[in-house]
Amino acid sequence: EPEVTQTPSHQVTQMGQEVILRCVPISNHLYFYWYRQILGQKVEFLVSFYNNEISEKSEIFDDQFSVERPDGSNFTLKIRSTKLEDSAMYFCASSSATGIIQPQHFGDGTRLSIL
Amino acid sequence: KQEVTQIPAALSVPEGENLVLNCSFTDSAIYNLQWFRQDPGKGLTSLLLIQSSQREQTSGRLNASLDKSSGRSTLYIAASQPGDSATYLCAVPGAGNMLTFGGGTRLMVKP
Repeated sequence: EPEVTQTPSHQVTQMGQEVILRCVPISNHLYFYWYRQILGQKVEFLVSFYNNEISEKSEIFDDQFSVERPDGSNFTLKIRSTKLEDSAMYFCASSSATGIIQPQHFGDGTRLSIL
Repeated sequence: KQEVTQIPAALSVPEGENLVLNCSFTDSAIYNLQWFRQDPGKGLTSLLLIQSSQREQTSGRLNASLDKSSGRSTLYIAASQPGDSATYLCAVPGAGNMLTFGGGTRLMVKP
């Protein structure tokens, strides 16, 4: 069964450094998402992306965050200057063309640790 | 703003028991509800998506029901097995198909 893949599985970065988290969504999917889960807390929505632009973003997704689909397969989340509170598990998800009534499929996540 | 709550937060049952996990949401203007399973340190596996026009959705030993008017969904697990031990999350979509998640129910099935 096709799946969403995320790399790396674990990223350790010094505070203030830039980090790029990578995702390969399911190949025929057109809607892409990033979520995060701080340890012990709920999964939180960050951003949704369709047709090469952001369709919705949460208040967490401030100017330090950006997303990009640099080619036909990758979807990236960049954090420009990381803070300690950015430490979390980051999940990428995708859904098919009729995203509204189709399930979102999640990757295994990238654990981001900011030192 | 949509709020999603799951009760209980944790549940421990002996193997073979049938069990019900609860999910409630404050804004009933939803078009579907999705149930996920999360194993420790892992991603979210989609279990069931139930449309707002449906009242129930079944997959194997899992059955999800949805009552939009009361803002509730239940996930029924029949004949539980140790392999069912995981955290179960429910989520509802909003603008931009963003999902709002509940806090999850951590299930332990003892052999």
